[in-house]
Amino acid sequence: SAVISQKPSRDICQRGTSLTIQCQVDSQVTMMFWYRQQPGQSLTLIATANQGSEATYESGFVIDKFPISRPNLTFSTLTVSNMSPEDSSIYLCSVGSSYNEQFFGPGTRLTVL
Amino acid sequence: GDSVTQMEGPVTLSEEAFLTINCTYTATGYPSLFWYVQYPGEGLQLLLKATKADDKGSNKGFEATYRKETTSFHLEKGSVQVSDSAVYFCALSDPVDSSYKLIFGSGTRLLVRP
Repeated sequence: SAVISQKPSRDICQRGTSLTIQCQVDSQVTMMFWYRQQPGQSLTLIATANQGSEATYESGFVIDKFPISRPNLTFSTLTVSNMSPEDSSIYLCSVGSSYNEQFFGPGTRLTVL
Repeated sequence: GDSVTQMEGPVTLSEEAFLTINCTYTATGYPSLFWYVQYPGEGLQLLLKATKADDKGSNKGFEATYRKETTSFHLEKGSVQVSDSAVYFCALSDPVDSSYKLIFGSGTRLLVRP
């Protein structure tokens, strides 16, 4: 399976600021996704990061709040913009080559004060 | 739309007890089914998967069988260990949905006592 790293692993931010989370994979992958896990909750897909084009967002998530870049097949970033305490969550990227398998990064634990 | 339903937790067991965590699903197509595990403070790890009816996924003593007739994918382990304490997520990926996204259940926390 692919080795996935995320930076930062955790951060504490002030409300109104923005944080960019990086996801790096050690091999080229077809699909990259960003998920949010709110405290004590399950995972919810934010968007699919598309290489060379705009991300595809799920209902309830918008580009202005969660801009995503994917410049190549091994790297993606998620920005959480104009943060509020409700954005405190774990943000995880995942990668896959088919609907048969997805692997997750270690996650970024974000606390917004 | 597609969905996954898991039994409520937490599940508390003594070491060496038998474990069952129930998972049922609804899907438009013929999904692939997964169990992921999240240890405290860590990300998600793929525990096992099954891609078609009657397939049995297995790993680290855990098993789950894809039952199309009952739309279920229950996780079992014959003898749990303290190190199995974690949150377990059932998930599906439906090939009808070309996005390949995963849909997760709510998660079940397992606590194994010595």
